[in-house]
Amino acid sequence: EPEVTQTPSHQVTQMGQEVILRCVPISNHLYFYWYRQILGQKVEFLVSFYNNEISEKSEIFDDQFSVERPDGSNFTLKIRSTKLEDSAMYFCASSEQLGEKLFFGSGTQLSVL
Amino acid sequence: DQQVKQNSPSLSVQEGRISILNCDYTNSMFDYFLWYKKYPAEGPTFLISISSIKDKNEDGRFTVFLNKSAKHLSLHIVPSQPGDSAVYFCAASGKGGTSYGKLTFGQGTILTVHP
Repeated sequence: EPEVTQTPSHQVTQMGQEVILRCVPISNHLYFYWYRQILGQKVEFLVSFYNNEISEKSEIFDDQFSVERPDGSNFTLKIRSTKLEDSAMYFCASSEQLGEKLFFGSGTQLSVL
Repeated sequence: DQQVKQNSPSLSVQEGRISILNCDYTNSMFDYFLWYKKYPAEGPTFLISISSIKDKNEDGRFTVFLNKSAKHLSLHIVPSQPGDSAVYFCAASGKGGTSYGKLTFGQGTILTVHP
């Protein structure tokens, strides 16, 4: 069964450093998303992406965050200057159509020290 | 953000019995609801969904019921199996446009199915 792939599975970084989280969505999917889950809290929506532009973003997704689809297969989330509170599990997801079920990757555990 | 609530943090069920997981929502703009299952160190896995135009959707052992007037949905698993032991998340999305991809999740319910 096709799956969403995320790398790395764990990322440790120093506060203030830039990180890039990478995702390979399912190949025929058109809609891409990033969610995150801080330990002990709910899974939260960050951003949705379609046709090479952001469709919707949450209040969390401020100027420190950006997303990109640099080629036909990868989808990345960049955090420019990480803060301690950015420590979380970040999930990438994709869907074939808007409004259909989202397929999630296994996540990248980001730890900001 | 309490728009989607799962009030039971955990549920313990005997193998073969029915598991019923509950979810309440407050936002009347939600019109598409999903259940996801999550194992440790994995991402959420889609189980079943329901549109607000329906009150029931069934897929094998999984049935989701939607009561729009009560803003309540439930997931029934019959019969429950030990492999069903996981965290179950209820999620909802809103009407129209890009909001369909913006899921609002509940806190999750840990289901344990005992052999």
